[in-house]
Amino acid sequence: EIVMTQSPATLSVSPGERATLSCRASQSVSSNLAWYQQKPGQAPRLLIYGASTRATGIPARFSGSGSGTEFTLTISSLQSEDFAVYYCQQYNNWPLFGGGTKVEIK
Amino acid sequence: QITLKESGPTLVKPTQTLTLTCTFSGFSLSTSGVGVGWIRQPPGKALEWLALIYWDDDKRYSPSLKSRLTITKDTSKNQVVLTMTNMDPVDTATYYCAHLSSIAARTIDSWGQGTLVTVSS
Repeated sequence: EIVMTQSPATLSVSPGERATLSCRASQSVSSNLAWYQQKPGQAPRLLIYGASTRATGIPARFSGSGSGTEFTLTISSLQSEDFAVYYCQQYNNWPLFGGGTKVEIK
Repeated sequence: QITLKESGPTLVKPTQTLTLTCTFSGFSLSTSGVGVGWIRQPPGKALEWLALIYWDDDKRYSPSLKSRLTITKDTSKNQVVLTMTNMDPVDTATYYCAHLSSIAARTIDSWGQGTLVTVSS
């Protein structure tokens, strides 16, 4: 079974700074990788699919990259509304989420 | 506009069977390519896919929970039902139903609000 590992578990960033989140798959998932954002008390929201395609309505400051086993979500300039937990999810096989990265205010 | 809402018990006892209903609008599960999934999230923990069902009645289950899960659809009522047998306290979680994206299979473009199910005697 594929294992999805996200790092770091917590990322402390100041508003306006860049945030880089990593997601690693234990075996190749090609480009079948999505990113979600979840705020407290809310359902997740799809940000990125196909490793690098922004979902409808997602601001351009969110970008995804990678393929195979190594993926990155970059938030170019953190806004106050971006502090949240981010999950990667592979859908190459049975869909699996990573453990999440919490982006908190530094 | 797609909306989904979960309903069911908030408290179940260990060994009981959980039945959750997802009632949706804004799409039809009789339309080619459409799918609905169930995902859960224990308090403070990560998300976990449970089951999927598609317009053609294709059903898929989490390999680790397959023996305990059943997913069905009622197209006329715009509902999807998930049953999970032999509930345990570790199954305490918020359970979400979700609409599967037609662009990227097995990703989710719309979520229900979720329903918290507590397993306790």
